[in-house]
Amino acid sequence: GQNIDQPTEMTATEGAIVQINCTYQTSGFNGLFWYQQHAGEAPTFLSYNVLDGLEEKGRFSSFLSRSKGYSYLLLKELQMKDSASYLCAAPILTGGGNKLTFGTGTQLKVEL
Amino acid sequence: GAGVSQSPRYKVAKRGQDVALRCDPISGHVSLFWYQQALGQGPEFLTYFQNEAQLDKSGLPSDRFFAERPEGSVSTLKIQRTQQEDSAVYLCASSPGQDYGYTFGSGTRLTVV
Repeated sequence: GQNIDQPTEMTATEGAIVQINCTYQTSGFNGLFWYQQHAGEAPTFLSYNVLDGLEEKGRFSSFLSRSKGYSYLLLKELQMKDSASYLCAAPILTGGGNKLTFGTGTQLKVEL
Repeated sequence: GAGVSQSPRYKVAKRGQDVALRCDPISGHVSLFWYQQALGQGPEFLTYFQNEAQLDKSGLPSDRFFAERPEGSVSTLKIQRTQQEDSAVYLCASSPGQDYGYTFGSGTRLTVV
């Protein structure tokens, strides 16, 4: 089966750096996703990691360690608009598609 | 269209009423997924279509839930005899095929009273 764990909520200050952790247990590994979801809106894709290491994309970076079953999302130079839920998700293959198992999401609050 | 469109955006149903939720995926997208998201939780998989074929319905919580995609484009999720525990946001997502690039719709927020 699949199990995804991430903190429920975090608070950080505008301009700071925050790291959101995710641990996972999956039967088979097909990579790891991070999505951002503002309240009342669709989840939007942030990153997809399949190999170990850090991938940087502007202010957002994502790290993966397959041996430890661990990933994190790093947000730099935090802005108020970064206040959102951040979802860690693992895909599993199904009939030719890829269904996602999500964590509960980490609600990030950015304060002045 | 440019994105995944879902309607209605909000739906209030009386307990026991039947509802139908619509999803218009991105034109040409082969794969279509339905997810259920309870308040404060991550989305949970309901069902998956490849064109008109429903290849995985393992996440549907009961036989009151039914999904179809008869012509391989628009999909409808139907919930019969709604109950309070059905209250959630229902998200639809589509992708071009055996590809990890999902695009989600904004969802339908269902409230059963």
